[in-house]
Amino acid sequence: KQEVTQIPAALSVPEGENLVLNCSFTDSAIYNLQWFRQDPGKGLTSLLLIQSSQREQTSGRLNASLDKSSGRSTLYIAASQPGDSATYLCAVEPFVKWHDMRFGAGTRLTVKP
Amino acid sequence: NAGVTQTPKFRILKIGQSMTLQCTQDMNHNYMYWYRQDPGMGLKLIYYSVGAGITDKGEVPNGYNVSRSTTEDFPLRLELAAPSQTSVYFCASSYSRGLYEQYFGPGTRLTVT
Repeated sequence: KQEVTQIPAALSVPEGENLVLNCSFTDSAIYNLQWFRQDPGKGLTSLLLIQSSQREQTSGRLNASLDKSSGRSTLYIAASQPGDSATYLCAVEPFVKWHDMRFGAGTRLTVKP
Repeated sequence: NAGVTQTPKFRILKIGQSMTLQCTQDMNHNYMYWYRQDPGMGLKLIYYSVGAGITDKGEVPNGYNVSRSTTEDFPLRLELAAPSQTSVYFCASSYSRGLYEQYFGPGTRLTVT
């Protein structure tokens, strides 16, 4: 059974700092991995989707990497801003049971001005 | 283009009551999903649908039912509400699997007392 873990559960950084969020998964037979952002009381917004054949994806100040063999993904946020404060979740879509997407519990990020 | 809309935003139910959570998307997506999110946990899939008239169970379907009579709507029915169903419920949709990101609604916060 796929398990997705995100450590740390919470992170606080000063504005302007570069930071890395971690996601690990136990089964490397994945079709893709997505990073989502969730603001308090809101739904999830997809940030980046990495296909299993890709190593990384970039969008603005965000860069997500994927290492399937080691079961790890990182989300790099450059020059963090207070507006980046949110919970970041990763989710993996398995190769076979595609609908059985597994989510991590998320990392709650606070960027202090 | 409203994306994915959910009603109601909040609801308090007494044990044994029933209700329907509404979900509508205007992106002509074939795939729709219902998730629940418990505090400090990742999302878990309740039911999903790959098109009108086609639904299937996810990881935690017990106590819920769905129907999909149109492409746009995917209501979730709770029968005989129990305290264990206290959660935040998210509806999502996507064009297809794999390369296509999921779009989420704002959620319904349900309390069963």
